[in-house]
Amino acid sequence: ILNVEQSPQSLHVQEGDSTNFTCSFPSSNFYALHWYRWETAKSPEALFVMTLNGDEKKKGRISATLNTKEGYSYLYIKGSQPEDSATYLCALLRWDNFNKFYFGSGTKLNVKP
Amino acid sequence: DGGITQSPKYLFRKEGQNVTLSCEQNLNHDAMYWYRQDPGQGLRLIYYSQIVNDFQKGDIAEGYSVSREKKESFPLTVTSAQKNPTAFYLCASSPGTGDGNQPQHFGDGTRLSIL
Repeated sequence: ILNVEQSPQSLHVQEGDSTNFTCSFPSSNFYALHWYRWETAKSPEALFVMTLNGDEKKKGRISATLNTKEGYSYLYIKGSQPEDSATYLCALLRWDNFNKFYFGSGTKLNVKP
Repeated sequence: DGGITQSPKYLFRKEGQNVTLSCEQNLNHDAMYWYRQDPGQGLRLIYYSQIVNDFQKGDIAEGYSVSREKKESFPLTVTSAQKNPTAFYLCASSPGTGDGNQPQHFGDGTRLSIL
């Protein structure tokens, strides 16, 4: 069984704090890493799709980096807002099966006003 | 608006009963997926389909069955052989095979409970 690990499991921050969390994965056969944001009572939505070692992607106050050689990706949120409260999921795709996504268990972020 | 529709939102199953969860997409996606989520765990793949009339078992297929007779539909049946069916079930789709640059699109999920 392939393990995609996310840490921390949960995070509580104050509005305005910047925060980051980690997705770790086996680096062999790496093809792509996806980040999703999952708000309560809604469906997960894609944030980033990352494929190249050293990739950095940004969307507003949220950014992500990728290191495929050591098998990790960081998600950063600058100046957290209450509307950032959600569970953030990462999912790994490998060369040996383009259609099988391996999900981490997520980091649950709670931003207090 | 294009998207994925799952129904019902909540479902209750009696002992020994089969139940079917519906998943419909109008995104013209080739690939569709079923995941199960249990508390504190990540999404685990039950079944996936890359194209109509084709599907493969995921990591936890035992006690489940699927069909893919139409491109837009991928129903999941939870059979009586699934001894612990209480969970949250998510359906997803993606445009096609072999393109890791395309993210998955998800439905809102179905919560299944045992009576």
